[in-house]
Amino acid sequence: EDQVTQSPEALRLQEGESSSLNCSYTVSGLRGLFWYRQDPGKGPEFLFTLYSAGEEKEKERLKATLTKKESFLHITAPKPEDSATYLCAVQARRNTGFQKLVFGTGTRLLVSP
Amino acid sequence: GAGVSQSPSNKVTEKGKDVELRCDPISGHTALYWYRQSLGQGLEFLIYFQGNSAPDKSGLPSDRFSAERTGGSVSTLTIQRTQQEDSAVYLCASSLEATSYNEQFFGPGTRLTVL
Repeated sequence: EDQVTQSPEALRLQEGESSSLNCSYTVSGLRGLFWYRQDPGKGPEFLFTLYSAGEEKEKERLKATLTKKESFLHITAPKPEDSATYLCAVQARRNTGFQKLVFGTGTRLLVSP
Repeated sequence: GAGVSQSPSNKVTEKGKDVELRCDPISGHTALYWYRQSLGQGLEFLIYFQGNSAPDKSGLPSDRFSAERTGGSVSTLTIQRTQQEDSAVYLCASSLEATSYNEQFFGPGTRLTVL
């Protein structure tokens, strides 16, 4: 069974204090790993898709990396507006057809000024 | 429209009543997905549509849950005889199609509270 575990559950940072969020996954053949950001009362907002180990993607202060067992979301010099819940999801590779996204429970990030 | 829209944004109902939740996907997106997000839980996949067809309904929690999509656009998720454990945020997403490397774009969700 495909599984995603995110850590920590919650993270409190001071503005400018860089850190990383972890997403560990178990999947029988990875098709893609997805990072989303979710603000309170809103739906998840797509950030990145990573397809293979060694791949990295960046967007502003965020950089996502992928290994065969986990992904990291690195946040460099965060600002209060980066406060949100960050969700990780995996999609398995199968021979045919649709494969659902399996989500972790997220990391709640709070960045204080 | 510019994004996925859902209505109502909030729904409070009494146990045993039926509810209908609506999703309007991004124009041109042929795939549509329903998820449930309970407090402290990850997003739980419920069902997807490719066009008007729902090939896999195994994610629906019970036979009280059903969904349909007409005209390849708007979808309705119906919960019959609601129970307190159905209280959650119901999220809809859409993508260009279901079986390719296409990102899913989410709506704001409907918060359902069953009293």
